[in-house]
Amino acid sequence: GENVEQHPSTLSVQEGDSAVIKCTYSDSASNYFPWYKQELGKRPQLIIDIRSNVGEKKDQRIAVTLNKTAKHFSLHITETQPEDSAVYFCAASKMHDMRFGAGTRLTVKP
Amino acid sequence: EAGVAQSPRYKIIEKRQSVAFWCNPISGHATLYWYQQILGQGPKLLIQFQNNGVVDDSQLPKDRFSAERLKGVDSTLKIQPAKLEDSAVYLCASSLTSGGYNEQFFGPGTRLTVL
Repeated sequence: GENVEQHPSTLSVQEGDSAVIKCTYSDSASNYFPWYKQELGKRPQLIIDIRSNVGEKKDQRIAVTLNKTAKHFSLHITETQPEDSAVYFCAASKMHDMRFGAGTRLTVKP
Repeated sequence: EAGVAQSPRYKIIEKRQSVAFWCNPISGHATLYWYQQILGQGPKLLIQFQNNGVVDDSQLPKDRFSAERLKGVDSTLKIQPAKLEDSAVYLCASSLTSGGYNEQFFGPGTRLTVL
C-alpha cells in the first residue's frame, strides 16, 4: 500500500519567516495530495490540495508544489504568523485510499 | 452548514471492556470514514463506507473492531474487547463521494483512554 513520509517532525521559525514541510510517497498511482492543519485538541482541516496534473498551487500565503517524477510534494508557508502554529499533515490519495504522513509540529515564535 | 458530529467526545474504559462511538456525517455526504489517530501520529484509516456499503476495511482489526452504517447516514464504531494500545482519538470524516478529489471533512473526534 501507499507509504507517506513527512519531514521534519518539528519546525520552529520566527514570525515573518518562511516554513517548508516536505513529503514523499511511494505509490505512483496516487493522484491527489491534500494538506491538513490540526490545532491542539481540534479536528484536522484542509488548507490546500493539489492534483497530480498540476505542479504548483498557491493560496495567499500558502503554496504546494508537486514533483510526480520524484514522488514528493511540499507545503510552503510565507510570512508566518503565530496563528500558523499547529500540526500539519500531508496525505496522498488514489481513489478511496488516503494515507497520511506522521505530521509536522510547526511553532511560530513572535 | 453543520459539520460532522461525533459522540462521546471523551471516554475512559478499562481494558477488556467494550466501547462504541457514534458519527453523524454532513448531510448529503455519501462517503464516511473512521480514522484512528494515536498521539503524535497521522490519522490511520480504519474503514470507509460508500452509502451503507464497505469500500475499504483493510486496516480494521476485525477481531475486535466492528463498524456499521445501516441506513447510509449515521455510523457506529465498536471495540470489543479494548486493549491498552487502542488508546487514541477516533476521528470520523465524510465527503460527498469517494474517489478522486473529494475533500474530507473531519469531526471533533472521540478521545479514548484504555486503562
